[in-house]
Amino acid sequence: DAKTTQPPSMDCAEGRAANLPCNHSTISGNEYVYWYRQIHSQGPQYIIHGLKNNETNEMASLIITEDRKSSTLILPHATLRDTAVYYCIVHGSNFNKFYFGSGTKLNVKP
Amino acid sequence: DVKVTQSSRYLVKRTGEKVFLECVQDMDHENMFWYRQDPGLGLRLIYFSYDVKMKEKGDIPEGYSVSREKKERFSLILESASTNQTSMYLCASSQAGGGGEKLFFGSGTQLSVL
Repeated sequence: DAKTTQPPSMDCAEGRAANLPCNHSTISGNEYVYWYRQIHSQGPQYIIHGLKNNETNEMASLIITEDRKSSTLILPHATLRDTAVYYCIVHGSNFNKFYFGSGTKLNVKP
Repeated sequence: DVKVTQSSRYLVKRTGEKVFLECVQDMDHENMFWYRQDPGLGLRLIYFSYDVKMKEKGDIPEGYSVSREKKERFSLILESASTNQTSMYLCASSQAGGGGEKLFFGSGTQLSVL
């Protein structure tokens, strides 16, 4: 599975959009981009995933560049409860193993 | 709502004890996983199972074994617990498929080995 690169931390003001970047330059054609988040001492929570097209659900939007080498997770109106570590994962069908990197610690501030 | 349940939230054991961590999922998923999470090291895959009685080693299987006798249950076994196995253990499950499956996690078990 392709490796991902994320900034270690980011700050965001409450109520503003949080834009979390992820680089995955070695992604292959059948690999999806997933985003999970982990609030302190809890299990990771699924947010969104996509293959080529941009995706939106009730939690977030996922923007994937045309060459698929990078993506951005957008939380449109960040709240204090969105403070968490956000993981970007690239995953295909290889034995169904998901690999987590170090993630981005998002700090939402009042 | 989908659910992955881990039997204990916190566990304290002695060095040399045999430790069982249990995980149950109610989604009829084929795949189940055990990860451990340590500060600065992220989530590391210990073992996974893609079917009853089937298992594959992950990245750090040493000192661990697993058991999957029923589809909904996946157990992690520490044959002889050591202090370096103090960690947060996370169980997860997913459907089988060719890509695009979601991974669902339990709440985790914080294991302390003294």
